Amino acid sequence: DAKTTQPNSMESNEEEPVHLPCNHSTISGTDYIHWYRQLPSQGPEYVIHGLTSNVNNRMASLAIAEDRKSSTLILHRATLRDAAVYYCIISGGYNKLIFGAGTRLAVHP
Amino acid sequence: GAGVSQSPSNKVTEKGKDVELRCDPISGHTALYWYRQRLGQGLEFLIYFQGNSAPDKSGLPSDRFSAERTGESVSTLTIQRTQQEDSAVYLCASSFDSTGGYTFGSGTRLTVV
Repeated sequence: DAKTTQPNSMESNEEEPVHLPCNHSTISGTDYIHWYRQLPSQGPEYVIHGLTSNVNNRMASLAIAEDRKSSTLILHRATLRDAAVYYCIISGGYNKLIFGAGTRLAVHP
Repeated sequence: GAGVSQSPSNKVTEKGKDVELRCDPISGHTALYWYRQRLGQGLEFLIYFQGNSAPDKSGLPSDRFSAERTGESVSTLTIQRTQQEDSAVYLCASSFDSTGGYTFGSGTRLTVV
C-alpha cells in the first residue's frame, strides 16, 4: 500500500480557505486518493476521493498533481465544525484503506 | 437503512468473556470493513469482506478474533476470551464497490474490565 505524508497539524481562521497537503510519491496508476475526516468522538466521515482529475463536491475540492505524487484537500471557507483530523489515504487492493496519523486541523474564530 | 448501523453502541464485559459486535451495512453495499480504534490512536484495519467472503483478514490481531458475514449483509465480529487490551471502539464501514467512498457506522465502544 502506498504511504502518505501529511503535516501533523495545521491551523486556520474561520471563513478562510484551508489547503491540506498530502504527499504520496509511491502511488501506482490504479490507486485512488481518498480523504476522510474524523471529528472528536465520532467515526470517520468520507470527504472526497479521486483518481486523476480534480474533484469537487459540496464539502471540499481535491486537487491532484499531474504526476499524482501529491494532492491537496481544499476547504473553501473553514468553519468551526471543520476542526477534525483529516486523513489522506491511498487505496490499495480491494479498496482497502489504511489510515495514518492524519493532520489535526484547528479552526480559530 | 440510511446509514451503517452498529450494535451495541457500548459494551462492558469482564475479562475472559466472549463478545459479539454487529454491523448492518447500507443495503446494496457489497464491501464491508472492520476497524479498531484504541483511545487516542489511529484506525487499525481488521478485516475486509466482499460479499460473504473475506479475502483480507490480515488485520485480525489474534485467533481470538473472528468475523463472518451472511446474506451479503449483516456482519458479526466475535472476540473470544476478551483481554483488557481489546478495549477500543470497533468501527464498521461499507462501500458500494471497490473504488468508492466508505460510510462508517458510529462504532461499538468495548470496555473490558
